[in-house]
Amino acid sequence: SQTIHQWPATLVQPVGSPLSLECTVEGTSNPNLYWYRQAAGRGLQLLFYSVGIGQISSEVPQNLSASRPQDRQFILSSKKLLLSDSGFYLCAWTGLAGDEQFFGPGTRLTVL
Amino acid sequence: KQEVTQIPAALSVPEGENLVLNCSFTDSAIYNLQWFRQDPGKGLTSLLLIQSSQREQTSGRLNASLDKSSGRSTLYIAASQPGDSATYLCAVPVNYGGSQGNLIFGKGTKLSVKP
Repeated sequence: SQTIHQWPATLVQPVGSPLSLECTVEGTSNPNLYWYRQAAGRGLQLLFYSVGIGQISSEVPQNLSASRPQDRQFILSSKKLLLSDSGFYLCAWTGLAGDEQFFGPGTRLTVL
Repeated sequence: KQEVTQIPAALSVPEGENLVLNCSFTDSAIYNLQWFRQDPGKGLTSLLLIQSSQREQTSGRLNASLDKSSGRSTLYIAASQPGDSATYLCAVPVNYGGSQGNLIFGKGTKLSVKP
């Protein structure tokens, strides 16, 4: 069966510091991968998606970037965090575009 | 542009009640709709996926219906239990050229089932 992992679970970072969040999927190959952010009162917003190694699409302009160095690994990064980057970051995968989407446990990021 | 709305935003019911959560979407040209559950501080758990060709899907005490023409879906929970307390989200895939299964979410219904 497939599982999806995210780490760290929680993170507190100062403004201006770098960020690296990692997501890995097990039990499947060539998944579509997604990064979403859930901010208080704003619902879930798609940040990035990837259909293959090295292929990244961004949905909204922002302070963040994403990379997919391996088939089942998706990384969310920032060079300098802003207060507005605080939120709950969720990674998700699907086998084919439009299929059922499955989410990881999330990372709670607080930028102080 | 697709928009997803969920009503009510919050719902509190006594244990044992049957209840209905509503989801509406503005663009009826969807190819599926997915219902999720989110416990506080946790990720999303997929409950049901309804394909556009289906009218409803059932899993245990949960039944989700889909009416594409009216842009609505409902999630029916039978004999509610305190363990059903969570936020319920519905989502549809983005439907424009280049889309790769990205989901658009409603803001959710926060359900509280009182013992």
